[in-house]
Amino acid sequence: NAGVMQNPRHLVRRRGQEARLRCSPMKGHSHVYWYRQLPEEGLKFMVYLQKENIIDESGMPKERFSAEFPKEGPSILRIQQVVRGDSAAYFCASSYRGELFFGEGSRLTVL
Amino acid sequence: QQQVKQSPQSLIVQKGGISIINCAYENTAFDYFPWYQQFPGKGPALLIAIRPDVSEKKEGRFTISFNKSAKQFSLHIMDSQPGDSATYFCAASRANAGNNRKLIWGLGTSLAVNP
Repeated sequence: NAGVMQNPRHLVRRRGQEARLRCSPMKGHSHVYWYRQLPEEGLKFMVYLQKENIIDESGMPKERFSAEFPKEGPSILRIQQVVRGDSAAYFCASSYRGELFFGEGSRLTVL
Repeated sequence: QQQVKQSPQSLIVQKGGISIINCAYENTAFDYFPWYQQFPGKGPALLIAIRPDVSEKKEGRFTISFNKSAKQFSLHIMDSQPGDSATYFCAASRANAGNNRKLIWGLGTSLAVNP
C-alpha cells in the first residue's frame, strides 16, 4: 500500500511565477490536509479537504493560495505570483480514523 | 501565541540513555496528543499518540506520559540509539465536525544520540 505521494519533491520558481504542488493520498483515504513548514519551525495547518469539498481553509493566506481535491486525481495546492516568503516545505497528509500520515513534502524555493 | 510549547529546543543524549521531551498546551478542549518523528528531508512520521483518558501509553521504547491537570505531556525514549537522532514534534488537536484533525504543532526538538 503506497503512502502519501507528493510531487514535485523540489520546485524552484522565480518571483511572480506560479507553483503547483500535487498530493495523492493513501489508498482508501478521502481526507487531505496541507501543512507548511518554515526552516527550524513546526508545521502550520493550511487547509483540510475532502473529495470536491474544502472543509477548513482557516490557515490559508487570503490571497494567492488555493487548494482543490477533485473527484478524480490528486489534490493540488496552487500558489500564484510567488514571493520569496513562500519558500518552505509543503507537506500533505491523509487521514484514517483521525491519524494523519504525511508525504515526504514538496520543497519550494523562490528566487 | 504558541498554543503548544515544546522543550527543550535541542537535546544531546548518550547511547543507552533516556531522552525526555516535554510539551505544554493551553486549550483544554484538545483531546488528541500525537508525537511525530522527522528525519532531514523527510515528512513527519507518527510515533505514538495519546488521548486524555489515560495517563501513560507505551509502545516499545517510546512512552507518552500525560498530566491532564497540569496540561502537560512528555515523550520518553528509553535506551536511546543513534538511529533515534531526529527532530521530534509534539502536537495537539480537538475533534471538530467532519472529523477534522487540525493539528497544532510544537516547534520541535532536535535530538542527537551520541554513539
